[in-house]
Amino acid sequence: DIQMTQSPSTLSASVGDRVTITCRASQTINNWLAWYQQKPGKAPKLLINDASTLKSGVPSRFSGSRSETDFSLTISSLRPDDFATYYCQQYHTYPYTFGQGTKLEIK
Amino acid sequence: QVQLQESGPGLVKPSQTLSLTCSVSGGSVISGGFYWNWIRQPAGKGLEWIGRIYISGDPDYNPSLKSRVTISMDMSKNQFSLKLTSVTAADTAVYFCAGEGVGPLEGWFDPWGQGTLVTVSS
Repeated sequence: DIQMTQSPSTLSASVGDRVTITCRASQTINNWLAWYQQKPGKAPKLLINDASTLKSGVPSRFSGSRSETDFSLTISSLRPDDFATYYCQQYHTYPYTFGQGTKLEIK
Repeated sequence: QVQLQESGPGLVKPSQTLSLTCSVSGGSVISGGFYWNWIRQPAGKGLEWIGRIYISGDPDYNPSLKSRVTISMDMSKNQFSLKLTSVTAADTAVYFCAGEGVGPLEGWFDPWGQGTLVTVSS
């Protein structure tokens, strides 16, 4: 299976901060990566597919990028609603696999 | 807009079979526009893809669960289902159903059901 390793596991930040979450794939997955946001007790919500394509309706402060097997999710200016857990997911190879999650908490 | 809703027992005894159903509204399960997936999440942990079904072909399963999993579709009820046999406490999790697009839209999950907690305990 392709291993997806997210860092950090927990990130403390303040409203207005710019933050970046990283996801590293254990082998090449091209751009076949998605990012999700999950709040407690809720299902994950798709933010980005194909490494950098923002889902319609997702705020433009969210962006995704790729460098080889390293992927990043950046939030340019944190809003209170952004404090949640974020997951990456690869869909290059079965079985689809997820990162372990990054909890973004208020400092 | 397609919406999904999971249903099924919240408590299953060890060694028995977990059975869940996902009801599809706002679209047809046989439209060909989606693969239909099951994903689970143990409390406080990450997400695990279980498998998927389409209107044609055999389902795809995670090899780690393949020997115990069956995903099927009921066109008459516009539903798809998950069966997981010989469950243990390790199968305790929130189970989500999710749609996955086809062709150039294949790979990511959207939409999702709200999830249903299944506890394996005697």
